[in-house]
Amino acid sequence: DGGITQSPKYLFRKEGQNVTLSCEQNLNHDAMYWYRQDPGQGLRLIYYSQIVNDFQKGDIAEGYSVSREKKESFPLTVTSAQKNPTAFYLCASSSSGTGGYEQYFGPGTRLTVT
Amino acid sequence: GESVGLHLPTLSVQEGDNSIINCAYSNSASDYFIWYKQESGKGPQFIIDIRSNMDKRQGQRVTVLLNKTVKHLSLQIAATQPGDSAVYFCAENNQAGTALIFGKGTTLSVSS
Repeated sequence: DGGITQSPKYLFRKEGQNVTLSCEQNLNHDAMYWYRQDPGQGLRLIYYSQIVNDFQKGDIAEGYSVSREKKESFPLTVTSAQKNPTAFYLCASSSSGTGGYEQYFGPGTRLTVT
Repeated sequence: GESVGLHLPTLSVQEGDNSIINCAYSNSASDYFIWYKQESGKGPQFIIDIRSNMDKRQGQRVTVLLNKTVKHLSLQIAATQPGDSAVYFCAENNQAGTALIFGKGTTLSVSS
């Protein structure tokens, strides 16, 4: 099956720990994205990557880091510098990063930090 | 700044009714718009999209209307079913054309 996978579905961490969320796609898409969603809110863009070995900050990049070493993978690290990390994290990909293309979403990872 | 918003946070309809979900956008230069459906605890699913050179586009039971004069986007769902209950988001591409900007969503509740 083609699609985007995120793991794990639920993740629990203690405050002060870094945590890495996985995102893999087998759609051969060039562009990948990370969003954060808080209860009752829309999606806010954290980071995006239009091509391998390149990525750009979104609207709320502080406290997060990413890498794009492979076309299929775009892991997100939530660092201890992120003041309010508990949220639902969504990864997406699209065939092009130049805009005007549908983004396909993964099932999400719900991160809880206590 | 760029923003995409929705007129109503919730919409309740009876099964079989037609639903209309509205969205206002602020970037007059946006050339791509898209609607997503998100069920609880899941990732958003694509419903339909439209480019700025069109006013209307139809899919299966859904129609998207774009009014560029007043920067308004709407999603019409015909013969709404209980399975349509979800949160609906509109989105537009950003000024650089490199990402989507999402609104806060409208929760559609369908009662049978």
